[in-house]
Formats: sequence, structure tokens, C-alpha cells
Amino acid sequence: DIVMTQSPDSLAVSLGERTTINCKSSQSLLFRSDNKNYLAWYQQKPGQPPKVLIYWASTRASGAPDRFSGSGSGTDFTLTISGLQAEDVAVYYCHQYFGPPPWAFGQGTRVEIK
Amino acid sequence: EVQLVQSGAEVKKPGESLKISCKASGYNFTSYWIAWVRQMPEKGLEWMGIIYPSDSHTRYSPSFQGHVTISADKSTSTAYLQWTSLKASDIGMYYCARPARRGISAWFDYWGQGTLVTVSS
Repeated sequence: DIVMTQSPDSLAVSLGERTTINCKSSQSLLFRSDNKNYLAWYQQKPGQPPKVLIYWASTRASGAPDRFSGSGSGTDFTLTISGLQAEDVAVYYCHQYFGPPPWAFGQGTRVEIK
Repeated sequence: EVQLVQSGAEVKKPGESLKISCKASGYNFTSYWIAWVRQMPEKGLEWMGIIYPSDSHTRYSPSFQGHVTISADKSTSTAYLQWTSLKASDIGMYYCARPARRGISAWFDYWGQGTLVTVSS
């Protein structure tokens, strides 16, 4: 089964600063027949279910602010917040949905304000 | 409007059985898979398993295979997660979630509000 590893586990960032979260997969998530990476990013705030931010590794979901962007291919992926806002305090998860299940989430990265 | 509405919080004792539900509305229930995701207190998301309500085809994570059963009732557009014998380690918030595409491989675009399960003697 595919294992997803995020780094760092947590980080504290000043308002307005750029934030980068990494996600590494134990196997390639690039499906060659459609040239898509089967990787999504979610944001979870306390007391709420997760909310999708990015899918296909770099496609921003409807309603996600444009300060959120995703990049990467194969086994290495990044979620970037271009300028941290107070409402971005949350835990962020990557999620692979490549091939038949079981799928997997990364362990999560907690983002706080410095 | 797509909605996944889950049953309420449960408090059970170790060894007891439990069945929680996820009622879907706003879309064709039999056309999309539905997954279950666990979140233990202060921990991350764990993918448990998924069911295709049209034919009840089910896939489980090895971590949960044999300990839980996922089922679906097409007549009521409801998915279920059940335990025959709860353990203290089953405590957590359980979410149902729907993939964004009719094909199985997709991100989750709709989530239930979660069902909190507490297991304590």
C-alpha cells in the first residue's frame, strides 16, 4: 500500500509570510495514460470536517482562495500558501487516490501563527 | 444540494455493538462510492474503507479489515459503518465522504459532519 509522509509536522508562520508544506508518496501518483497526479490537499479547522483545497496535485478547488497553490509530480508534492492569513490556521493533509483502494492520507501538518 | 448527514454521537461500552449511519441526498446515491474516515482524538485522518452502493462492492484498509463492516441501503440512500464488538481504541470521530467523480479514484468533495464515538467502561 502507498504511504504518504508530510513534512514538517507543524510550523509557526508570521502573518503574510509564505508557507510551504511537503508531501512525499512511497509510489508514483502519476497515471501515465491521463498524465494526472492523483493527489489532493485538504484543510481541516477545529470541529469541522476536512475541506478540499487542491486536486490533481495543482487544480484549485472551487471556493479555495488563490493564495493556495499545489505543485509537484510523481512522488513529491508541495502545498504553498502565498501569504498566510489568520483564517489559514488549520491542519493540512495530503491524500492519494491513485488506483484501487485502499488510499491514504498524510499524517497532517499543523499551521499556526508566529 | 449534495448533503451527507450522519447519525448522532454514541457512548458505548467495550464489547458492545454499534452501527452509525450516513444519509445522502441531492444526488444519485447509487452512482458514487462512499468512504468512511476515522479521526482519533487529536490525531490525523485514516482511510477506513469504501462502498459502491449500486452493488455493495466494498474495499477496506488492511488496518480496519475484519473489525468493521461497511454497508449501504439503496432504498434509503444511507451508508453504514458497524462494529460487532467495540474496543476502547475505537474512540474517535468518524466521517463519511463522497468522491468527486463517479469513477472510484477521486478526491472527496463532500463530507458528513462526523459522528463521535466514545467507548468507555
